[in-house]
Amino acid sequence: GAVVSQHPSRVICKSGTSVKIECRSLDFQATTMFWYRQFPKQSLMLMATSNEGSKATYEQGVEKDKFLINHASLTLSTLTVTSAHPEDSSFYICSAREGQTNSPLHFGNGTRLTVT
Amino acid sequence: GESVGLHLPTLSVQEGDNSIINCAYSNSASDYFIWYKQESGKGPQFIIDIRSNMDKRQGQRVTVLLNKTVKHLSLQIAATQPGDSAVYFCADRFSGGYNKLIFGAGTRLAVHP
Repeated sequence: GAVVSQHPSRVICKSGTSVKIECRSLDFQATTMFWYRQFPKQSLMLMATSNEGSKATYEQGVEKDKFLINHASLTLSTLTVTSAHPEDSSFYICSAREGQTNSPLHFGNGTRLTVT
Repeated sequence: GESVGLHLPTLSVQEGDNSIINCAYSNSASDYFIWYKQESGKGPQFIIDIRSNMDKRQGQRVTVLLNKTVKHLSLQIAATQPGDSAVYFCADRFSGGYNKLIFGAGTRLAVHP
């Protein structure tokens, strides 16, 4: 089945530094990928929609200058958390859709970000 | 789904019993609904989906029911097993645009032997 790979699975960084998270669709092409954030014991909150070859679409309340998204190819999207702060510590999950818009999303296994 | 940032409710069941997990959604224009299972430290895993022109769909040990009148979705798991212990989320798709999925609040299922 379709596989979405995220890297790294865990990252610890110091406050003020930037962290890049990669999301790859391993055996299919994804023109659209989605980035979610999940705090402990809470649901997934959609942050932005990543579109290959164009700018990402951010959800209300998500700072586009802080969460930089680059969808460089049909199999790779990256999320960069810039000038990270402890409140950015969270579980970040990407997803991608295989084929048509009626197909379900496939999710990566997430990246646990801890900012110290 | 309508995520409200609340702590997850828990459903506790005995192994072998049937489980019913409920979800409410808010968008009348949603045309596609999915149930996901999430184990600790992992991303969501697809379980079953249903389109808005249906009211019931069955899979292996799972059934999804959709009631559009009251905007309610349920997931039924037959003969619940310890491996079913996880957090379950419903998600609905906003039609149009990029067809993004919005997740509900989630329910933790705890299966006891």
